[in-house]
Amino acid sequence: QQPVQSPQAVILREGEDAVINCSSSKALYSVHWYRQKHGEAPVFLMILLKGGEQKGHEKISASFNEKKQQSSLYLTASQLSYSGTYFCGTEGSPGSEKLVFGKGTKLTVNP
Amino acid sequence: NAGVTQTPKFQVLKTGQSMTLQCAQDMNHEYMSWYRQDPGMGLRLIHYSVGAGITDQGEVPNGYNVSRSTTEDFPLRLLSAAPSQTSVYFCASSRDRGEAFFGQGTRLTVV
Repeated sequence: QQPVQSPQAVILREGEDAVINCSSSKALYSVHWYRQKHGEAPVFLMILLKGGEQKGHEKISASFNEKKQQSSLYLTASQLSYSGTYFCGTEGSPGSEKLVFGKGTKLTVNP
Repeated sequence: NAGVTQTPKFQVLKTGQSMTLQCAQDMNHEYMSWYRQDPGMGLRLIHYSVGAGITDQGEVPNGYNVSRSTTEDFPLRLLSAAPSQTSVYFCASSRDRGEAFFGQGTRLTVV
């Protein structure tokens, strides 16, 4: 079952912050975050494991609340290069390797 | 390193025709997956494999077959193409549930 992402789309001005949420109706073992630019393949940003710490990638960080079965991606001081569609992928149990993605959040950063 | 290579990049099929989408990786990854991407639907898992000789169904497996005879290759077969299978197809590979590397995609149109 696909995780649910919110919002579906967000428009920012350069330097502003954004939060993208990902929630699942099932217990989660791990959450992955990817960014896809138009016409390109998705690119890995980070992975959060159950019982693990908050991860960071440049000015992009994420958290994982296992009890609430939710993850959030934080983009601070956004840059033009952050524009793209962000996907969360969730894995329900260790060893399954069944990574299921949400429908994506389209982020547009304007000058 | 070539990474994940998908062929062809573009394909037009007539309804009822069959074809195989090729995917090869040179990173010795155990895990490989096929996704389809449709507007507003995100990435949906078709089939995945945790190693040579082992495959399993994802969210939308109907109309597709896979096999994994080697670690490197994971072809996706469309048995009888339908217009509903018009989509962009991505193959991905990963090691130990880590970062997934995506191929550049195959844009398939069924007329």
